[in-house]
Amino acid sequence: DARVTQTPRHKVTEMGQEVTMRCQPILGHNTVFWYRQTMMQGLELLAYFRNRAPLDDSGMPKDRFSAEMPDATLATLKIQPSEPRDSAVYFCASGLSGLAKRTGELFFGEGSRLTVL
Amino acid sequence: AQTVTQSQPEMSVQEAETVTLSCTYDTSESDYYLFWYKQPPSRQMILVIRQEAYKQQNATENRFSVNFQKAAKSFSLKISDSQLGDAAMYFCAYRSAIEYGNKLVFGAGTILRVKS
Repeated sequence: DARVTQTPRHKVTEMGQEVTMRCQPILGHNTVFWYRQTMMQGLELLAYFRNRAPLDDSGMPKDRFSAEMPDATLATLKIQPSEPRDSAVYFCASGLSGLAKRTGELFFGEGSRLTVL
Repeated sequence: AQTVTQSQPEMSVQEAETVTLSCTYDTSESDYYLFWYKQPPSRQMILVIRQEAYKQQNATENRFSVNFQKAAKSFSLKISDSQLGDAAMYFCAYRSAIEYGNKLVFGAGTILRVKS
C-alpha cells in the first residue's frame, strides 16, 4: 500500500533550535508539496517541487525556512532558527503532473506536529 | 490567483440524515480538478471525492456526491445517511491542470458534527 511517509510525527523543541522534517513521497510521483496547517491560517502552501526542482517557495519565510529534495525519495523542510510562531502541523504531499497527472490527486502524509517553546 | 471559499465554518447533522457542504471557487482557467478532503481528529488528510472540470457528470462515491456547477463555480458535497465516522473537518480544494500551476489550493474548511 503506497503512502507518503513523514518523520518525525511529533517534535517539541526550544526556540532557536534547528528542526528538520523529512518526507518520503510515493515512488514514481514527480511532484512534492509542503503545507503548513494552523488554526489561524488554515492550510498554507510553503513550497513545492516538480522532478526535484523547486517550482514555488513563495509561501515560505526565506530567512529561516529551507526546502530541498536531495533525491527523488527524500524531501526535507528545515527551520533554523525555530520560533514559537512556527508551531503547526506540517504536511508533505506527493502527486503526478504533466502527461502522467491522471486524476490530479495529491496524497498526504500523516503530518509532523511541531511545537516550539 | 485561484481562491476557494467555504462559507460554513461549522455544520451539524443527525445520524442517518443528509447534509450538504458548500464550496465556491474563483478561477479563469477551464481545465482543473476539484476535490473534497476529509480530516478526522487523527489529522490524516483523506480524499473523499474528486471532479474533473471537463466532465459534466457529477462525481459520486457511495454516500458522497457532489453538485458541480461550472458556470457558477460551485462545488458542493452531499453526504447521505450520515454516520458518526463522518465527523471531521472537510476541505474543498482546487488544482489547476496547467503544467506548472498545479498546486492544491484549499478552502478554510468546514467542521462537520454528527449527532447520534
